Parts: sequence; structure tokens; C-alpha cells
Amino acid sequence: QSALTQPRSVSGSPGQSVTISCTGTSSDVGGYNHVSWYQQYPGKAPKLMIYAVSQRPSGVPDRFSGSKSGNTASLTISGLQAEDEADYYCCSYAGSYIWVFGGGTKLTVL
Amino acid sequence: EVQLVESGGGLVQPGGSLRLSCAASGFTFSNSWMHWVRQAPGKGLVWVSHINSDGSTTTYADSVKGRFTISRDNTKNTLYLQMNTLRVEDTAMYYCARDEAYSPSYWGQGTLVTVSS
Repeated sequence: QSALTQPRSVSGSPGQSVTISCTGTSSDVGGYNHVSWYQQYPGKAPKLMIYAVSQRPSGVPDRFSGSKSGNTASLTISGLQAEDEADYYCCSYAGSYIWVFGGGTKLTVL
Repeated sequence: EVQLVESGGGLVQPGGSLRLSCAASGFTFSNSWMHWVRQAPGKGLVWVSHINSDGSTTTYADSVKGRFTISRDNTKNTLYLQMNTLRVEDTAMYYCARDEAYSPSYWGQGTLVTVSS
């Protein structure tokens, strides 16, 4: 049950695109199409942004997209806005009804 | 509207016990898998436990296995987390979350557990 690996921080200017990676193993990210991404503002509960690798819940802007290649999943935010500045976490199903989160990435909008 | 409201957190001494509750509304609780996820102050999210819809299957993170017990009462639309033999490192905000498509989807606002002497 080792945490997934995310960069501690990423940054971008308004209007740009940023990508956050999430690296696991063949036992979690690489083994299942059950990767999700969460946005969390300070002092608030996490909000689901992407599930099943690339699916967006209703209400999530299409600026947010997800993908996966091998053992690494990615969240891309295009047309960056000031309100996107937050912490982002990935999560993967790891089989046998076990889940694992990434360590989190702080997104700064310059 | 989906609502999850956690309660039961507080200050407890090391070695003590606490039971958290999560009251659910706005969806068919008895058909839903549920999770507990925690977040230590200033740290990241950590998955703690999962329970299936009828409570027959439960799983735990290694860090809490043997000390924490997840359960549910579908007649009361309530999820529980019994925490025993608490350690200082269990100090965290505890969130309950509904599962959808093998992902914690909707989250409550959390309840804070502080383990300290």
C-alpha cells in the first residue's frame, strides 16, 4: 500500500495548460482503469474532478481532462484560471477492495 | 441533494477509543459502497477503509488494520468507524465518502480527531 507518486508542486500562467502526473505500479494505476482525481481548497473537502481515468462528473469544466499510459496517470488542466489554484490528488483502485492516494500536488497559478 | 455529515471527532488520549459516524441522505445509502479517508494536518489524503453495500465486505489500510472497524446501519443510513488503541499519528480530519465506479465520489466535510496526552 505505497502512496502513488505526484510532483509536490506545479505552476502555470492564466490561459496556459498544466499536467500533473501520478505514478504507481502495475498493481494499481497500471492494472485498473479506476483512477480518479480530486481538487481540494484549503480547509475544504476534496471534490471529484475525474473518475475512471478520463470521465468527468457533471458540472466539472471540460478544461479538466485525464489520461493514463502504463503505470502513470495524468491530469491536464487547460486554459488555466486563477480559481484552479488548489491541491490535487490522484487515487487508484489497487485490487482486493484496497485504494491508494497520491501524495498531492500544489498547483500555483502565476 | 447528496449529503454526508460526519460527527464524533474530538480530543482523545493515546490508547483511547472513539466512534465516528457519517449520516447519509439524498441517495440510496443501502446500495452504496462507502469509504473513510483521513488527512493529517498539512498532509495528504490517505485511504483508511471501505465497506460494501450490505456490510459483508470490509477492508482496511495496513496502518489501521486490527485497530479500526468500519460498519454501517442501512436502517439508519449511517456509516461508522470504531477506532481503538488510538495513536498520536491517527490525528487527522476524517472524511466519509460515497463510492461510485470504484472511486470515492461525494465527500462529507469531515470530523477532526486529535490524539494527544
